[in-house]
Amino acid sequence: DAGVIQSPRHEVTEMGQEVTLRCKPISGHDYLFWYRQTMMRGLELLIYFNNNVPIDDSGMPEDRFSAKMPNASFSTLKIQPSEPRDSAVYFCASSLSVTGVLEQYFGPGTRLTVT
Amino acid sequence: AQSVTQPDIHITVSEGASLELRCNYSYGATPYLFWYVQSPGQGLQLLLKYFSGDTLVQGIKGFEAEFKRSQSSFNLRKPSVHWSDAAEYFCAVGARSSASKIIFGSGTRLSIRP
Repeated sequence: DAGVIQSPRHEVTEMGQEVTLRCKPISGHDYLFWYRQTMMRGLELLIYFNNNVPIDDSGMPEDRFSAKMPNASFSTLKIQPSEPRDSAVYFCASSLSVTGVLEQYFGPGTRLTVT
Repeated sequence: AQSVTQPDIHITVSEGASLELRCNYSYGATPYLFWYVQSPGQGLQLLLKYFSGDTLVQGIKGFEAEFKRSQSSFNLRKPSVHWSDAAEYFCAVGARSSASKIIFGSGTRLSIRP
């Protein structure tokens, strides 16, 4: 079975541009998480969904960030407008509540550079 | 509030030597505990987890960890490291009352000396 798939793997954009990160969770998983990883702040949970519904977005840094999950197999994280301080690696993870919600499977990440 | 502390930012050990990575947590009750490994350019992979029961848990790649309630610790161990174990290791804690969220430590980078 394929793991969590993220695209693109690398994104370089200029300040002020819109950035969209994509995630395909493991088939059948009902939880999806978005994380951000930086040297300064480590790994931070941004938002998570259960059955496509956002449950907790308290980690989203500001209104420039938004996330959607239109169906069980796809989610997006959008930054508009992007700023240099958004440069980080963004991870998507999914889990199955039956086997253990906390046992999360991570994608390879998207390395975002905003110049 | 729950928190996780990994006091060692970077550790170097010789190949074949034993390894222990420290993790301390702060939480009012028995938490869920995890160790993840992140190889360069990769996502995080679950090494092992503790939910309840036997306080010594075995994981993948020959790793084990021991939950010590009295010391609020969940240290990761391996009797003999291999060069391929060089990576970043993260301890994480989850609250039983909030089953969906886990908090990660700041990580320990492991280097292997040939």
